[in-house]
Amino acid sequence: DSGVTQTPKHLITATGQRVTLRCSPRSGDLSVYWYQQSLDQGLQFLIHYYNGEERAKGNILERFSAQQFPDLHSELNLSSLELGDSALYFCASSVVGQGSTDTQYFGPGTRLTVL
Amino acid sequence: KDQVFQPSTVASSEGAVVEIFCNHSVSNAYNFFWYLHFPGCAPRLLVKGSKPSQQGRYNMTYERFSSSLLILQVREADAAVYYCACSGNTPLVFGKGTRLSVIA
Repeated sequence: DSGVTQTPKHLITATGQRVTLRCSPRSGDLSVYWYQQSLDQGLQFLIHYYNGEERAKGNILERFSAQQFPDLHSELNLSSLELGDSALYFCASSVVGQGSTDTQYFGPGTRLTVL
Repeated sequence: KDQVFQPSTVASSEGAVVEIFCNHSVSNAYNFFWYLHFPGCAPRLLVKGSKPSQQGRYNMTYERFSSSLLILQVREADAAVYYCACSGNTPLVFGKGTRLSVIA
């Protein structure tokens, strides 16, 4: 158990809908990262937050947004969902968010299925 | 562009030593991280560092721009995806993952 929690574990929804995925980082970690893993694809970096502020953006669609709250938990919002958004979404956390020894610890993921 | 490169697949026989190679073009990166990922589970850190290191059956080699993960005495249960990552002044940059298949 990495100490990173994600809810829900599974989510099934329809095209055009909007969903929110939640992540709680390890105690003491200030950085949260979101990744998407589609079928047979690697981890695709979406976005990084540090202490409430956006730090870096990866291949995140405009229909997706995220935020990190004062208690450091984070939410990833996915809207106008399409079939291709079906994937496993991972959250990771780390102490700082930069520096060559900062390890990311992953949550168990949320499996999103768009029908 | 900051990128990490690793083969998409590797195959090994049970009991053998398998090597997964990784190299990068990440600015100012000195440390490598190797993660293990079973489908449906959280990726888990196996080994990391800026020098050769070992954690149980996992050995990490180190060069300035490349690293290999060696898995000793490969078992069927080792079949999974292995990610290489490294970071310099930015958070980790991950490779696309190497799927290890184990032949009994």
